[in-house]
Amino acid sequence: LAKTTQPISMDSYEGQEVNITCSHNNIATNDYITWYQQFPSQGPRFIIQGYKTKVTNEVASLFIPADRKSSTLSLPRVSLSDTAVYYCLVAPISSGSARQLTFGSGTQLTVLP
Amino acid sequence: DAGVTQSPTHLIKTRGQQVTLRCSPKSGHDTVSWYQQALGQGPQFIFQYYEEEERQRGNFPDRFSGHQFPNYSSELNVNALLLGDSALYLCASSLDRGGYNEQFFGPGTRLTVL
Repeated sequence: LAKTTQPISMDSYEGQEVNITCSHNNIATNDYITWYQQFPSQGPRFIIQGYKTKVTNEVASLFIPADRKSSTLSLPRVSLSDTAVYYCLVAPISSGSARQLTFGSGTQLTVLP
Repeated sequence: DAGVTQSPTHLIKTRGQQVTLRCSPKSGHDTVSWYQQALGQGPQFIFQYYEEEERQRGNFPDRFSGHQFPNYSSELNVNALLLGDSALYLCASSLDRGGYNEQFFGPGTRLTVL
């Protein structure tokens, strides 16, 4: 499983755009990049997943350069409720086989008023 | 549509005791995974159940065991509890044929071992 590296913590202010970068130098050809969000005393929640270029949903955007050795989660106009730990995961997608999610320590994002 | 539910929410045990945690997956999901999350750390994979069998296991001792029932619900059992077993235990459900890395997590069971 590819190892990921992301900042331990980040601070931002309400209304700003936040970009959290994750490094995954040994990503494999069949690996996808997935981001989860976790609030205190709750289970992680899936945010977004992508393979290359750009993926956007109603919550966030995910930017993946051509070499796929890193990825950036972009949260537009954050609010106080976006304060959480954000995890970057790299794993293959394969239907019909066991899939364990490997979480690192994540990035603690604190949104300030 | 109920999401993943877990019981109990909190539990206090003493060293050497045994504990059983329960999980009901999201409606329509057939795969259940269990994770242990120590304070300040990311969740660590314990094992995954599919078709009532343990399909994959993380780096956890045999004191950790589980079961999946025909209705896809699952139990996590931990024997001979150690102080280090104190953690948030998370259950996650998914659809085996989904071909996707999205797992739906429950709120967890907070286990404290004294």
